[in-house]
Order: sequence, then C-alpha cells, then structure tokens
Amino acid sequence: QSVLTQPPSASGTPGQRVTISCSGSSSNIGSRTVNWYQHLPGTAPKLLIYGNDQRPSGVPDRFSGSKSGTSASLAISGLQPEDEADYYCEAWDDSLNGVFGGGTKVTVL
Amino acid sequence: QVQLQQSGPGLVKPSQTLSLTCAISGDSVSSNSAAWNWIRQSPSRGLEWLGRTYYGSKWYYDYAVSVKSRITVNADTSKNQFSLHLNSVTPEDTGVYYCARGTHANGWSPWGQGTLVTVSS
Repeated sequence: QSVLTQPPSASGTPGQRVTISCSGSSSNIGSRTVNWYQHLPGTAPKLLIYGNDQRPSGVPDRFSGSKSGTSASLAISGLQPEDEADYYCEAWDDSLNGVFGGGTKVTVL
Repeated sequence: QVQLQQSGPGLVKPSQTLSLTCAISGDSVSSNSAAWNWIRQSPSRGLEWLGRTYYGSKWYYDYAVSVKSRITVNADTSKNQFSLHLNSVTPEDTGVYYCARGTHANGWSPWGQGTLVTVSS
C-alpha cells in the first residue's frame, strides 16, 4: 500500500473538468508541499505541479493543484485526449522521505 | 537544458548487486542547487523513491527506509554522473529504475529514460 492515497481511476469526456484527490497525514502532506507527476506509458514521469500549486514552464494552465490540511488535489480543466495518463502525487515524509500515491489512471471517454 | 542518460544491465541474479549509472549533461553533479535521485516503479510497490545525493560543502546522502540497509548512491565528479548500487537483490526488486534531478521542494525534473531491471536466475 502506498503512503499517500489516490483513487485508482477517474474519467471524463473532452472539455470536462476532472479532479484527483491525494490523502496523506500530518507527517507528509500536512507539513510539506505536494508535487504531481504525469506518467504516459513507455515514457518517464513528467513533473506537472510542484509546491502544491506551481506549474513548471511548459505545463498547460488547464492543470492546477491545491492543498488543504492533509489532502491535496489535482484538477484538469478542459480535459484533452492527450491527458489520458497515470497521475501521481508525491510528498516528503518526516520519517520515510519521498513518498508517492498509488496513482490515478485518467481515461478520456 | 539538463538531460539524464541511464546505463546499466537489465538482468541481475538474486543475491547480487544491482548497479546503474546516470550521466548528466547541462548541469553539474556537484551543483549546490540540485539533488540527484533514484526512483523505481514496480507493479507491486508502485513508484518508490529510493535515495539521493547532493553537495553542499560536503556530500550528503538520504535513503528510503525500505532499502536503507542495501543501498548506496554516490557521485563521480570526474565523469559528471551518479550511480545506484542495491545489494542482495530479490525478485521483489524487479522494476523500472529512473534517475531524476531535483529536490522535493522544486519537484523531480527531468528524469532519465528509465531502465527495466529484472531480478532472475
């Protein structure tokens, strides 16, 4: 089991808004920032959001992140076919160091 | 633009040592503003951060609790690369191994291309 909890799947039609949750504890999300990664099959994971809500240059603004307490969320507004991928949240844990969620597979219907 | 190129064997026998190297271009392994990480992905354990090294007047090392007794990450400044050594491997260590630049605060980016390592006799 992963230290951070994500739903295994999410889906939407093109143009819809999809939200992915990530739940942790006071030793990770509650006290540190959260990062999000997009993983397409056969490629390396790509940083999507860092510092809870910051987008690296080149990441479309339809991706946004937020954090509240011991939970975080990734939102994809205006879902596109190329957004079909696995998404992972990640945080630093006081005891365990880097920890990930189990991943959420986003399907574009 | 920073790029990471991984190399190393794709098959390791049980009880032996898994060794991978990550060559860096566009940055320095001894940069004061970066850490150099190893992360793996397996069907059973998902994405798992393994360890890192970084330089800040001396070399520092941090390792995941799950592999702390078996792992070494070190840097080679003459070749501008860093490496992973994981000893006493079992089939549970089978997975895709990635190197990545960065600290948690700024996220891990970029990543190497990944190396599928199978532990099997």
